[in-house]
Amino acid sequence: DTAVSQTPKYLVTQMGNDKSIKCEQNLGHDTMYWYKQDSKKFLKIMFSYNNKELIINETVPNRFSPKSPDKAHLNLHINSLELGDSAVYFCASSPMSPGQGAYGYTFGSGTRLTVV
Amino acid sequence: GDSVTQMEGPVTLSEEAFLTINCTYTATGYPSLFWYVQYPGEGLQLLLKATKADDKGSNKGFEATYRKETTSFHLEKGSVQVSDSAVYFCALGDNQGGKLIFGQGTELSVKP
Repeated sequence: DTAVSQTPKYLVTQMGNDKSIKCEQNLGHDTMYWYKQDSKKFLKIMFSYNNKELIINETVPNRFSPKSPDKAHLNLHINSLELGDSAVYFCASSPMSPGQGAYGYTFGSGTRLTVV
Repeated sequence: GDSVTQMEGPVTLSEEAFLTINCTYTATGYPSLFWYVQYPGEGLQLLLKATKADDKGSNKGFEATYRKETTSFHLEKGSVQVSDSAVYFCALGDNQGGKLIFGQGTELSVKP
């Protein structure tokens, strides 16, 4: 009964392709996030959704498009993949709502994307 | 903007040594503070947290105290084990949008 599950775990693809990463949480949390971890382990937030509504959209190329069909799912679609997109992408969820302060996140196990 | 700074790694210790990983932050308002741990090939797990000044978070022998006067949240453990080898992340919680801002991570390697 994985709390936050991401698929696939590994993704190897060629430059220029389009790919999607899926994320699902069964914790009943209101808010979901996508983070990118680079080769030096640095973590940076990309997007956040609260009850299917986009609330955080950091400076991310518009080739990246999140989609939240319901509050338990947050998918990430990437168009025209580039070498620099190679990283580990983490999905996370938390019970908080905007303005209520930050709670601890529950993270998925990550998707290692390699663009060749 | 808000930020978190951690001591540089990697940190290499012998088993049963004392561990300190320094973390300082810059923030407006009164953020919540967190330590996360990432074992090789895995996602991040919440290790401990503190939500206000002078709170002490603790878990699995690790502890950290929220020090508002020094804007610090240093992680300590009295006696590390080989199984503690991992990357440790300090983070602060934005009280508006709810996002977590992470430090750069500190890799810990414990040798038998």
